[in-house]
Amino acid sequence: DGGITQSPKYLFRKEGQNVTLSCEQNLNHDAMYWYRQDPGQGLRLIYYSQIVNDFQKGDIAEGYSVSREKKESFPLTVTSAQKNPTAFYLCASSAWGETQYFGPGTRLLVL
Amino acid sequence: AQSVTQLGSHVSVSEGALVLLRCNYSSSVPPYLFWYVQYPNQGLQLLLKYTSAATLVKGINGFEAEFKKSETSFHLTKPSAHMSDAAEYFCAVSDLGGTYKYIFGTGTRLKVLA
Repeated sequence: DGGITQSPKYLFRKEGQNVTLSCEQNLNHDAMYWYRQDPGQGLRLIYYSQIVNDFQKGDIAEGYSVSREKKESFPLTVTSAQKNPTAFYLCASSAWGETQYFGPGTRLLVL
Repeated sequence: AQSVTQLGSHVSVSEGALVLLRCNYSSSVPPYLFWYVQYPNQGLQLLLKYTSAATLVKGINGFEAEFKKSETSFHLTKPSAHMSDAAEYFCAVSDLGGTYKYIFGTGTRLKVLA
């Protein structure tokens, strides 16, 4: 069954801690994206990757890092430099230039 | 720069009434446009998309949208609201300048009254 999976569903971060959100897709898509969703602000692009071993900053990349070592995987690390990490994080993928499809999301909360 | 404006962060309709969710865009070239729906604590699901073919686009769950270049609009409609339509709806425009990044509106939360 093709799709995009994100884990965990909920994630708790302590002060000064780095945490990593997982995103996996089996749709054979080249492009993958990470968005942050805050109430009333829509979705904002954090990072995107058009191809393996390449990625670009989006509009709000500060305090985040990514890697793209495999076509299927695009993990997002929320670093301690991100001072306001509480949000809903959505991963998406697409064939290049085509419609983006979204995963179920990870809610990050700060302890 | 491209942008998307969704008028009305909250819209309430009675069950069986017309649903109209507004989306206006700014783009220097004919864009690709999308409507997505999001149920609580879930990801976004594609409702429909416009990619420069027919200006009236039909989507899932009885929704449709009409691309009007003269008004730079892409409003979402459904003739008769159902309780299950209660959700948040996002309009998005695709950057056709080479990156294909999406710019999202801030969303409209639809409430359906019994």
